[in-house]
Amino acid sequence: DADVTQTPRNRITKTGKRIMLECSQTKGHDRMYWYRQDPGLGLRLIYYSFDVKDINKGEISDGYSVSRQAQAKFSLSLESAIPNQTALYFCATSEGNSNQPQHFGDGTRLSIL
Amino acid sequence: GDSVTQMEGPVTLSEEAFLTINCTYTATGYPSLFWYVQYPGEGLQLLLKATKADDKGSNKGFEATYRKETTSFHLEKGSVQVSDSAVYFCGLDSSYKLIFGSGTRLLVRP
Repeated sequence: DADVTQTPRNRITKTGKRIMLECSQTKGHDRMYWYRQDPGLGLRLIYYSFDVKDINKGEISDGYSVSRQAQAKFSLSLESAIPNQTALYFCATSEGNSNQPQHFGDGTRLSIL
Repeated sequence: GDSVTQMEGPVTLSEEAFLTINCTYTATGYPSLFWYVQYPGEGLQLLLKATKADDKGSNKGFEATYRKETTSFHLEKGSVQVSDSAVYFCGLDSSYKLIFGSGTRLLVRP
């Protein structure tokens, strides 16, 4: 079983719809992250959480919200999806100290028509 | 702010050729540096890391040396294989989060 699981793997939806992407982990890590990947832009950080009560905005948080329901679960929501949010989304986790690598899920490919 | 710049791709090589993917960074202090690899349809996987100047990270035949004087962390492999075809990301640890370069696609032909 994967250590970091993202659902769904693929989603096609329409402009204006509310969408939730879910991430769960079995690694026992405190820190969780959401990124989006666009061609030629690498990965950009949307939100991150260092524990259940700690949520922080990343560099591109506008249009997104998150919920850390438990140590193992971190969901990303698009309240009203727009086409330029079409991208590949990744969840990642890491241990609770600096200089530790991040562990990624396999991604959710989201298309907004 | 902190940033990472890596060479644009795609890089196309024949099997057994020598690989270099350049990566330079701008950062305050001395961050840890990483290389991640992304195979088709998968998330990023840590390939190697270095935590201080002059450290050499290595894994699966890949190497990279943390060069403080040139602020670089170039990825090298002496003999690439078709199975190395993937996208490679250089990254640095900026206190509490990773900052990634834009990625370099490597294509290895038989």
